[in-house]
Amino acid sequence: QQQVKQSPQSLIVQKGGISIINCAYENTAFDYFPWYQQFPGKGPALLIAIRPDVSEKKEGRFTISFNKSAKQFSLHIMDSQPGDSATYFCAASKEEYGNKLVFGAGTILRVKS
Amino acid sequence: ETGVTQTPRHLVMGMTNKKSLKCEQHLGHNAMYWYKQSAKKPLELMFVYNFKEQTENNSVPSRFSPECPNSSHLFLHLHTLQPEDSALYLCASSQDTGGAYGYTFGSGTRLTVV
Repeated sequence: QQQVKQSPQSLIVQKGGISIINCAYENTAFDYFPWYQQFPGKGPALLIAIRPDVSEKKEGRFTISFNKSAKQFSLHIMDSQPGDSATYFCAASKEEYGNKLVFGAGTILRVKS
Repeated sequence: ETGVTQTPRHLVMGMTNKKSLKCEQHLGHNAMYWYKQSAKKPLELMFVYNFKEQTENNSVPSRFSPECPNSSHLFLHLHTLQPEDSALYLCASSQDTGGAYGYTFGSGTRLTVV
C-alpha cells in the first residue's frame, strides 16, 4: 500500500515532442504528489507538485495530470528539449505519515536533438 | 548548490573500514533524511530526524549509524559494510515532518565498498 509504481523505466523522445511519465498508487490516504528531476551527479530536485483537490497543475512546459478515482498521476513535458534529459521520480506522501516521501523507481528520459 | 552540502562526493572503503558521511544544510530546515539510491530501484528511506530527534529508522542494519548533533548537521557512520551497500547516499532536508513540504536534496556521496 506504500508503493508508488512508475512507468516507463526509460523513454526516448524527439526534440519538440511530448514526454509522458505515469505513476500509480494504492494508498488513498496520500495527499501530496511531487515530481523530482535528477541530473547525473546531482541529487533529485523538486520540479512540480500537486494535491488531490485539483486535477491538473501546469508550470511552464511541465504539467501534472491527476486522476483521483484511478489513483494515477502523470507528468507531461511539452516541447521536450535535450536539456530535459534526466531521471524523473514521482513520489507521494501524507502528513499523517510524517511527510515521508515514497518514491517511484524513476524514469530515464532522453530527448534526441 | 542546493543548500544541502554532502561530503565526501566519492568514497571507496574496504569492508573492515570505518568512515563517516557528512551532510550540512543552512536552509533553516528542521527535518533531515538519509536515503539510499541504488540503480533501477526506488529511493530507499533510511533515517528521519526532526528537530534533532530520530523519528524513523527504516529497518536499517546496525552497520549504518546516524548522528544528528543539531538541526543543521547530519552524519552517517559506516562500519563493516558489505559490497551490496555500494550506492549513492543522499541527504535531504525539509521544513519539518509535520506537513507536505518538498525536500531539498544534496548531491550525494557515491559509496563503493570493496
